[in-house]
Amino acid sequence: AQSVTQLGSHVSVSEGALVLLRCNYSSSVPPYLFWYVQYPNQGLQLLLKYTTGATLVKGINGFEAEFKKSETSFHLTKPSAHMSDAAEYFCAVSDRGAQKLVFGQGTRLTINP
Amino acid sequence: GAGVSQTPSNKVTEKGKYVELRCDPISGHTALYWYRQSLGQGPEFLIYFQGTGAADDSGLPNDRFFAVRPEGSVSTLKIQRTERGDSAMYLCASSMGLGRELFFGEGSRLTVL
Repeated sequence: AQSVTQLGSHVSVSEGALVLLRCNYSSSVPPYLFWYVQYPNQGLQLLLKYTTGATLVKGINGFEAEFKKSETSFHLTKPSAHMSDAAEYFCAVSDRGAQKLVFGQGTRLTINP
Repeated sequence: GAGVSQTPSNKVTEKGKYVELRCDPISGHTALYWYRQSLGQGPEFLIYFQGTGAADDSGLPNDRFFAVRPEGSVSTLKIQRTERGDSAMYLCASSMGLGRELFFGEGSRLTVL
């Protein structure tokens, strides 16, 4: 069965600092990988996804993630944090061609002024 | 509006009561999903519809939970004999089909007293 582990339920960084949110997955076959963001009182919004092709994926709001098959990882990064990045971030995985997403437990990102 | 609409946004009920949660997907989206998100956890898959039929209901926790989508658009999640453990945020999402981006609603928060 697939599973997703997000290391760190809470991450705090200073404004302008690097953001790194970690995600590791387990899957018997190369999966599709996703990062979603959830702002307070809003629905989940897709940040970026990896399906095939280039392993470095760029998303919205300056975020990017790199699929590393050897490490079974899909960490999310942003070079310079902004106050508006404060939110809950979820990593998710699905089997290729499947519709069911398996989510991690989420990481709450706090940005310090 | 143009997004996924869920009603009610908040529902408080008593143990043993029957509850219905409604999801109105984005117009033209053929796929519809229900997820449940407990406090401090990531969303967990419940059921997925392609058109009117439930293509995958493997996430429904027991036979107290049932969902329908009779005309291939609006869906209703029905919970019988509610228990305190059913308290959670229930999320609905829709997409244009297999492998396409999921668009989430803001959720229906269910509290069972």
